[in-house]
Amino acid sequence: AQKITQTQPGMFVQEKEAVTLDCTYDTSDQSYGLFWYKQPSSGEMIFLIYQGSYDEQNATEGRYSLNFQKARKSANLVISASQLGDSAMYFCAMSGFTGGGNKLTFGTGTQLKVEL
Amino acid sequence: ETGVTQTPRHLVMGMTNKKSLKCEQHLGHNAMYWYKQSAKKPLELMFVYNFKEQTENNSVPSRFSPECPNSSHLFLHLHTLQPEDSALYLCASSQDTLGSIEQFFGPGTRLTVL
Repeated sequence: AQKITQTQPGMFVQEKEAVTLDCTYDTSDQSYGLFWYKQPSSGEMIFLIYQGSYDEQNATEGRYSLNFQKARKSANLVISASQLGDSAMYFCAMSGFTGGGNKLTFGTGTQLKVEL
Repeated sequence: ETGVTQTPRHLVMGMTNKKSLKCEQHLGHNAMYWYKQSAKKPLELMFVYNFKEQTENNSVPSRFSPECPNSSHLFLHLHTLQPEDSALYLCASSQDTLGSIEQFFGPGTRLTVL
């Protein structure tokens, strides 16, 4: 079984500062993917970034980067130069293949608040 | 319309009502998903459809009945719900459930059961 752990229920960061959201995972699969999604108060889950378990380089997408440490089973999200619009819930997720196909397992999320 | 749409966005129903949630994806995907998001809990996968066939039922009570008439549309029929079923119900789609792994989500339906 797969498990995602996000230990920070809430985080505060000042505008223009960088922030790291923690995510650790547990799986017995050799091949898997790690995702981060953003959920604003409107409810929609917005895909941010993806890291494959065999990717040697950390994924980056604009101001988002994923700090992937395979041996430690961690996949932290780094947001650089925070903006007020980054205030939202952030979910870490991982994909795994079961008999029914690929599934995503989500963590409990981290509520990020960006302050002036 | 683009992406994944869900209607209604908000729904209030009594325990004896019957209602349906609708999801439509305009991405040409073949897999669709229903998730339940309750407060302070991880998203819970409910159902998965791949090429209109149900491939996953995650021990969901029978008062939730999914329907997938084609790869673009997914419904969740609701009847005799309980107050604890109040949650945000999210629909998602992906290219399929084998190769592609990124899922695209709709805005959700906020359901309140009185």
